[in-house]
Amino acid sequence: GAGVSQSPSNKVTEKGKDVELRCDPISGHTALYWYRQRLGQGLEFLIYFQGNSAPDKSGLPSDRFSAERTGESVSTLTIQRTQQEDSAVYLCASSIRELGYNEQFFGPGTRLTVL
Amino acid sequence: AQSVTQPDIHITVSEGASLELRCNYSYGATPYLFWYVQSPGQGLQLLLKYFSGDTLVQGIKGFEAEFKRSQSSFNLRKPSVHWSDAAEYFCAVGGPDSNYQLIWGAGTKLIIKP
Repeated sequence: GAGVSQSPSNKVTEKGKDVELRCDPISGHTALYWYRQRLGQGLEFLIYFQGNSAPDKSGLPSDRFSAERTGESVSTLTIQRTQQEDSAVYLCASSIRELGYNEQFFGPGTRLTVL
Repeated sequence: AQSVTQPDIHITVSEGASLELRCNYSYGATPYLFWYVQSPGQGLQLLLKYFSGDTLVQGIKGFEAEFKRSQSSFNLRKPSVHWSDAAEYFCAVGGPDSNYQLIWGAGTKLIIKP
């Protein structure tokens, strides 16, 4: 497809379980971002991948959160031992860094509910 | 510190009335500015962007924004709102001073009165 896709669209899990969220960026986009959006709030930066450079993990809220990206394609965000405060929409975005600016294209998000 | 402030959490306007959503930023010399819209249940969509040149930029859906460097502002405007404009609007700034990462405002929720 032409846009950023994310799966699953919804995920309900029990406290303490691990979850894995997937993002497929737009083909050719070298930069990929993960954000968290809690209900009624703005976007909270989590992690940023740019090509083969080391990712910027400065936004990850705890060591329960991790993310990987295979080359310049798919990324997975993993949350271990989920807590109720992890409930949020997780958004993925991609962009073409080489253009020298940062217009981000967003996926529809994964709504995570931790019971 | 780099930041974006959207001072209005909610704004209510009547259908057909004009709209202005405020955005102020703190950034370096070369801000790239964006407005995104998030409709209920949908992802974020870019409305417009400013990189350089003409400080009045036109976007989709009849929106425009004006970059005022002296006021560190990038306010979004629309002359006549439609009920379908009800959504949340986010302002963001990025550029070389933030390694091209975007810094986001907290958003303004637009409510349209019939």
